[in-house]
Amino acid sequence: GQNIDQPTEMTATEGAIVQINCTYQTSGFNGLFWYQQHAGEAPTFLSYNVLDGLEEKGRFSSFLSRSKGYSYLLLKELQMKDSASYLCAVSHMTTDSWGKLQFGAGTQVVVTP
Amino acid sequence: EPEVTQTPSHQVTQMGQEVILRCVPISNHLYFYWYRQILGQKVEFLVSFYNNEISEKSEIFDDQFSVERPDGSNFTLKIRSTKLEDSAMYFCASAPGQGSTTNEKLFFGSGTQLSVL
Repeated sequence: GQNIDQPTEMTATEGAIVQINCTYQTSGFNGLFWYQQHAGEAPTFLSYNVLDGLEEKGRFSSFLSRSKGYSYLLLKELQMKDSASYLCAVSHMTTDSWGKLQFGAGTQVVVTP
Repeated sequence: EPEVTQTPSHQVTQMGQEVILRCVPISNHLYFYWYRQILGQKVEFLVSFYNNEISEKSEIFDDQFSVERPDGSNFTLKIRSTKLEDSAMYFCASAPGQGSTTNEKLFFGSGTQLSVL
C-alpha cells in the first residue's frame, strides 16, 4: 500500500518560520512535490525534489530523504497570505509519466498577526 | 504565464444526468490529467492521457467516466450518469514533454465545482 502522512494543522505568527513534515511509504517512488492550495482554488506548484537534499526557492525550501521516506517544506518570513493548505504529493515510477501524483491530506497553515 | 483553463467554474446537475467538463491545457503540453477533490478530502488522481489515449486510470475512473481530446486544444471529462458522490471539484492538469526543462511542473486549472442534486 501507499501512505502519505502530514500534520493536519499548524499555526505560526507573521514573520516566523514553519516546517511542515511529510512522511511516505510507497513503492516506485519517483519524486516528491509540494503544492500550496488556498480554499476553493487549484493547487499551485511550490517545489519538486527527486534527489536527496535541500532545494531553496526564496522564502520556501524543501528537503528530501529518500532512504527515510521523509520530506519537509520550510516556510520562512511568514506572511498573512501564506495561510493556506500545503499538500505533499508523491510521484510514482511505475506510471508512464510522473503526473500521476498521490496527495497527502494537506497541512492547513494558519498565520496570525 | 500560460495557464490551464476550465469551464464552467460551477456545474449543477440532477442525478443521472450526463455532464461534460471542459479544459484547455497549455498549448505545447503533451500530458493531460484529471483530478478531483471532494470537499474536505484529498486531491485524487482520476486519469492520465497521452498521445491520444488513456495511459493510466484510477479505480474511481469507472465505466461512467470517459475522456476525450476532440481537437488540438480541448480536453474533456464526461460523466455519463452522475451520482451524488460525484459531487466534487474537478481539476484538469497538463504537463510538458519529458524533455522539457520545466517538466517538474504539473499545471492545474482553477477547477470545476460539480454539484449533483
